Amino acid sequence: SQQGEEDPQALSIQEGENATMNCSYKTSINNLQWYRQNSGRGLVHLILIRSNEREKHSGRLRVTLDTSKKSSSLLITASRAADTASYFCATVGTASKLTFGTGTRLQVTL
Amino acid sequence: GAGVSQSPSNKVTEKGKDVELRCDPISGHTALYWYRQRLGQGLEFLIYFQGNSAPDKSGLPSDRFSAERTGESVSTLTIQRTQQEDSAVYLCASSTTRYEQYFGPGTRLTVT
Repeated sequence: SQQGEEDPQALSIQEGENATMNCSYKTSINNLQWYRQNSGRGLVHLILIRSNEREKHSGRLRVTLDTSKKSSSLLITASRAADTASYFCATVGTASKLTFGTGTRLQVTL
Repeated sequence: GAGVSQSPSNKVTEKGKDVELRCDPISGHTALYWYRQRLGQGLEFLIYFQGNSAPDKSGLPSDRFSAERTGESVSTLTIQRTQQEDSAVYLCASSTTRYEQYFGPGTRLTVT
């Protein structure tokens, strides 16, 4: 079963704009990760935020985590056409498996 | 270095036939995971290996699905008597910790 739910399911923006995606989850976590997927194939790890962290940055990516609300957000600043992809949040609980959300499809147009 | 590889990249099979999907993890990665992704959907966890043992098989959808791992390296996911609902991309990932997982390119399975 899916742990996380991403919101929105789909997002279309113009190049240069910021994109914000949200993820909600149900159970307590050890960490939360965001992944990117191009063309329905392999996923690429973007960023990990631990349960005791509230915000993390990596290049144009900013992730926040609110464990009281069981939610996370991914912000991509100054988007580029190459950012077009599906983005998934994934949680790690007490076991070692990742539980993925349903994903947000981001379309960045020129 | 080499990443996770999977073979075949695409597989078309007739309903009722058995298929084997292979995953070669990154050398030294003790943990290996299989996921299934149906078209337009998120990833479903299937099974997790730590070394050669599978402490979590909870995601295998039926007894038609099985997986093994030998020598702490290659893993094979076998689907017996395939059904049309088995059509999906099957993704393999490996890792050294509970954290970042490295994914292969996936095998797209189509059952006709």
